[in-house]
Amino acid sequence: SQQGEEDPQALSIQEGENATMNCSYKTSINNLQWYRQNSGRGLVHLILIRSNEREKHSGRLRVTLDTSKKSSSLLITASRAADTASYFCATDAGSARQLTFGSGTQLTVLP
Amino acid sequence: NAGVTQTPKFQVLKTGQSMTLQCAQDMNHEYMSWYRQDPGMGLRLIHYSVGAGITDQGEVPNGYNVSRSTTEDFPLRLLSAAPSQTSVYFCASSYRGIDGYTFGSGTRLTVV
Repeated sequence: SQQGEEDPQALSIQEGENATMNCSYKTSINNLQWYRQNSGRGLVHLILIRSNEREKHSGRLRVTLDTSKKSSSLLITASRAADTASYFCATDAGSARQLTFGSGTQLTVLP
Repeated sequence: NAGVTQTPKFQVLKTGQSMTLQCAQDMNHEYMSWYRQDPGMGLRLIHYSVGAGITDQGEVPNGYNVSRSTTEDFPLRLLSAAPSQTSVYFCASSYRGIDGYTFGSGTRLTVV
């Protein structure tokens, strides 16, 4: 079953604009992670935010976590064409530390 | 570092055939997992291991077997391939699951 659900399913923006993707989940978590997948490639870990954290930054990425609403958002600032990819949130919610993925957001950044 | 290496990259099987998807990592990660990715459904966990000699089932384990005899290797066996197993398979590893997973580049499997 899908623990995380991303919104929107697809997003198209111009280069230089900001992109925001949202993720909602159902159960208590240890942490929430965001991954990027370029077409035909494996997933790349972007950022991890722990359940006791509210915001985290990494370069042009900003992640927020609201455990009361069971939601997270990923903001990519000053988007580039190279940011075109699918973005997945994944929750770590058990003692086995395994991930449950959402269905992803397809981001297209137009040059 | 090679990271997580999956072989083969592509495979076509006939219904009923068996095969093993290979996964190896050189990062001394204890945790390893297998996922399948189908269009529009994200990734679903098939089997996972938290150390050599320890394996457990994920969300969609039926039709698959795993073993973990060494820290480095975590092969996934398809016992009798079915068209429903047509998918892209990803192997991933992590240091105890607390700091994110490293993924392989995937195996695209087609069962005809």
